[in-house]
Amino acid sequence: ETGVTQTPRHLVMGMTNKKSLKCEQHLGHNAMYWYKQSAKKPLELMFVYNFKEQTENNSVPSRFSPECPNSSHLFLHLHTLQPEDSALYLCASSQTYGRQGADGYTFGSGTRLTVV
Amino acid sequence: GEDVEQSLFLSVREGDSSVINCTYTDSSSTYLYWYKQEPGAGLQLLTYIFSNMDMKQDQRLTVLLNKKDKHLSLRIADTQTGDSAIYFCAHNRYGGSQGNLIFGKGTKLSVKP
Repeated sequence: ETGVTQTPRHLVMGMTNKKSLKCEQHLGHNAMYWYKQSAKKPLELMFVYNFKEQTENNSVPSRFSPECPNSSHLFLHLHTLQPEDSALYLCASSQTYGRQGADGYTFGSGTRLTVV
Repeated sequence: GEDVEQSLFLSVREGDSSVINCTYTDSSSTYLYWYKQEPGAGLQLLTYIFSNMDMKQDQRLTVLLNKKDKHLSLRIADTQTGDSAIYFCAHNRYGGSQGNLIFGKGTKLSVKP
């Protein structure tokens, strides 16, 4: 597979559940990102990893826990979420954080999360 | 104000030209981008322009950059129903928070047959 792949595409979870979102890229990129997209805030940056190290955490609640075991994989672990966390969660990657050129970011198709 | 501003909605008839406008605040940006998001999908890079260019044309797409006014536009010629989507303007920025690609809120383009 090429590009950025996100699984699952859709997820419905209860507020007491624990689930994980997965993102994988085969582009040889070194930076990966999690975004939240909702009607209230169209594109909200959550976390940034560069060479597996977290470089940004934009005041995200601790019920969201990212993990980046290597430059190709990124996870978002979810637990005790609230209904307002329902959104489209997008993963993106780029060559290197801090040096965006013509390629910009490459996005996955997203995981549509519904918290009930 | 916002780093990148776009109008939220645009409606055109099939076959007409669409012009989506964007203003930004960071004059040090070297690349400016247009992304397209179709329903239920992620963002797809449509085109980009380097900051030393005024115009870039790619088939039906024309990007105009006015660096003095920090204004970017995307013109879609002969708009089709398949062009219905949300279009995001973005620019690169070094340092600071929010990552180094700054996005606008997106313009929803509706194409009526």
